[in-house]
Amino acid sequence: NAGVMQNPRHLVRRRGQEARLRCSPMKGHSHVYWYRQLPEEGLKFMVYLQKENIIDESGMPKERFSAEFPKEGPSILRIQQVVRGDSAAYFCASSPGLAGPRRTDTQYFGPGTRLTVL
Amino acid sequence: AQSVTQLDSHVSVSEGTPVLLRCNYSSSYSPSLFWYVQHPNKGLQLLLKYTSAATLVKGINGFEAEFKKSETSFHLTKPSAHMSDAAEYFCVVSEEGANNLFFGTGTRLTVIP
Repeated sequence: NAGVMQNPRHLVRRRGQEARLRCSPMKGHSHVYWYRQLPEEGLKFMVYLQKENIIDESGMPKERFSAEFPKEGPSILRIQQVVRGDSAAYFCASSPGLAGPRRTDTQYFGPGTRLTVL
Repeated sequence: AQSVTQLDSHVSVSEGTPVLLRCNYSSSYSPSLFWYVQHPNKGLQLLLKYTSAATLVKGINGFEAEFKKSETSFHLTKPSAHMSDAAEYFCVVSEEGANNLFFGTGTRLTVIP
């Protein structure tokens, strides 16, 4: 059973370009989460999606960032008009959605995409 | 609101000696608590999790953690460090039933031969 897949692993963009980060969840997982890790910091939650729905985007910057998880294909985190401050590692996690009420699903993380903005 | 404090940003131990990585949390009555490990340039791997069952949780690679509600702590321990344990360790909390995780700032473990 393949783990969470993310691509590309490394992405270099110039200021003002767009960055697209892809995440394929583990087989059988229908819940996807995106986190951002700035240098020397822990991960910060960005967004939680299920198929075709954004459930919680409380951690997403209000501008330039968007996420989707279509019915078919990977989840995409899109950053428009990147700036140097967007340079970070972006991690995707997935979970099966089996924890039930009042329980937190265990999240399994991908290897991350390291975005560098020149 | 939930939060996590990892008391040591860097811990250094000799190979074969015990490991203690400290974590204190602030959360609701029934938090879920996790420890993840991150090796250089790799993703995060789940070591163990606590979800209101036994307070002493055993994880992979010989690690374990004890949930102490009175001290709001969830320290990670291992009896004998191995060179392959050198990595960054994150203590993580989630509110009861919530789906976003709150990460501590991490503790870098160095193992000296």
